[in-house]
Amino acid sequence: EAGVTQSPRYAVLQEGQAVSFWCDPISGHDTLYWYQQPRDQGPQLLVYFRDEAVIDNSQLPSDRFSAVRPKGTNSTLKIQSAKQGDTATYLCASSLSWGGNYAEQFFGPGTRLTVL
Amino acid sequence: GDSVTQTEGQVTVSESKSLIINCTYSTTSIAYPNLFWYVRYPGEGLQLLLKVITAGQKGSSRGFEATYNKETTSFHLQKASVQESDSAVYYCALASGFASALTFGSGTKVIVLP
Repeated sequence: EAGVTQSPRYAVLQEGQAVSFWCDPISGHDTLYWYQQPRDQGPQLLVYFRDEAVIDNSQLPSDRFSAVRPKGTNSTLKIQSAKQGDTATYLCASSLSWGGNYAEQFFGPGTRLTVL
Repeated sequence: GDSVTQTEGQVTVSESKSLIINCTYSTTSIAYPNLFWYVRYPGEGLQLLLKVITAGQKGSSRGFEATYNKETTSFHLQKASVQESDSAVYYCALASGFASALTFGSGTKVIVLP
């Protein structure tokens, strides 16, 4: 079974440029998470979806970041005008919200973003 | 909100010695959270090492153990005898609800010397 896939694996931008990250979760997983991981820190939630609905986007900087999951499968995270402070690894994870007694999250390899 | 604290940023230990990584948590949830240890080996993605979803229980995997202590709100990770292959970054995490997002600690890099 294929794991969570993400693309691109790396991105280098100048400040002010836009970038999009793409995530393909494990087939059948209804919940999808986006985390931001600055260097030498733990992952921090940006947004998560159940099917196509946003469950929590309270940590998403809404003036420049947006995320969609239109058909409840793949997802795109976009930064409109990148800042140096956005330099981080962006992780996508997926899980199944039913069955079992806990919902293990499976992580993709991440996209490493550098904003110059 | 929820928070997880790992006090050691890096730990260096010799092969066959014991290892302990400290983790404490706090949550505003009424229910006891689910607790996890995730690991990132060099060149690999983040993966689940072990989990405990019931307070007072112990989880174990690959020789590692962690006990969910609700009195001290701790979930320390221990291994009696480490190997070079245990060199990795370890993250403690909690989830307040089923299928909710994870709150991670800052991570502890473990270097095992031969």
